[in-house]
Amino acid sequence: DAGITQSPRHKVTETGTPVTLRCHQTENHRYMYWYRQDPGHGLRLIHYSYGVKDTDKGEVSDGYSVSRSKTEDFLLTLESATSSQTSVYFCAISESGLNSPLHFGNGTRLTVT
Amino acid sequence: DQQVKQNSPSLSVQEGRISILNCDYTNSMFDYFLWYKKYPAEGPTFLISISSIKDKNEDGRFTVFLNKSAKHLSLHIVPSQPGDSAVYFCAAKGNTGKLIFGQGTTLQVKP
Repeated sequence: DAGITQSPRHKVTETGTPVTLRCHQTENHRYMYWYRQDPGHGLRLIHYSYGVKDTDKGEVSDGYSVSRSKTEDFLLTLESATSSQTSVYFCAISESGLNSPLHFGNGTRLTVT
Repeated sequence: DQQVKQNSPSLSVQEGRISILNCDYTNSMFDYFLWYKKYPAEGPTFLISISSIKDKNEDGRFTVFLNKSAKHLSLHIVPSQPGDSAVYFCAAKGNTGKLIFGQGTTLQVKP
């Protein structure tokens, strides 16, 4: 494990409620990412960050927002959860944006009922 | 449109034999390719990578081959072991810096 902690590990919430997932790293890496994993789709990028307060959208960013106020923390917020956002969410970090591998956390399983 | 495709959802191999996992991509701007392995209830872990300036990279039992003209890469595992049973994702990165993943292939290695 590359010093990445995701919380919570599991969450069940109702449609329309806000949800925030947290990713905490101890590696002091500049880049942080949020992916979701769904059957038949693999891993899809939601948002990423290339520094404190610097974020950008990924492939599937609609309905999600992120914030990074400290190097070690990257938050993913679902403003109003929908059933289509039921998924497993993975945070990843990398040392640089070039050809350095991503290291993933163990995921958060989110169920929206 | 899926830019990185793994067309085989699953693969079953006997222990000791070779496992070959395949991946196709459509974007000619991709210049860096990676393979990840994922066990249940864990995050993906990096396995091996290859730059577009190479056509082969080897690390122990794992070898990745890149055929740029065919836009195809493959992962060879020799010999396969039961502990290799996992989901394997290929991924590609281009000039946007974003890593695009395939759908994954579930490998089962039978003892």
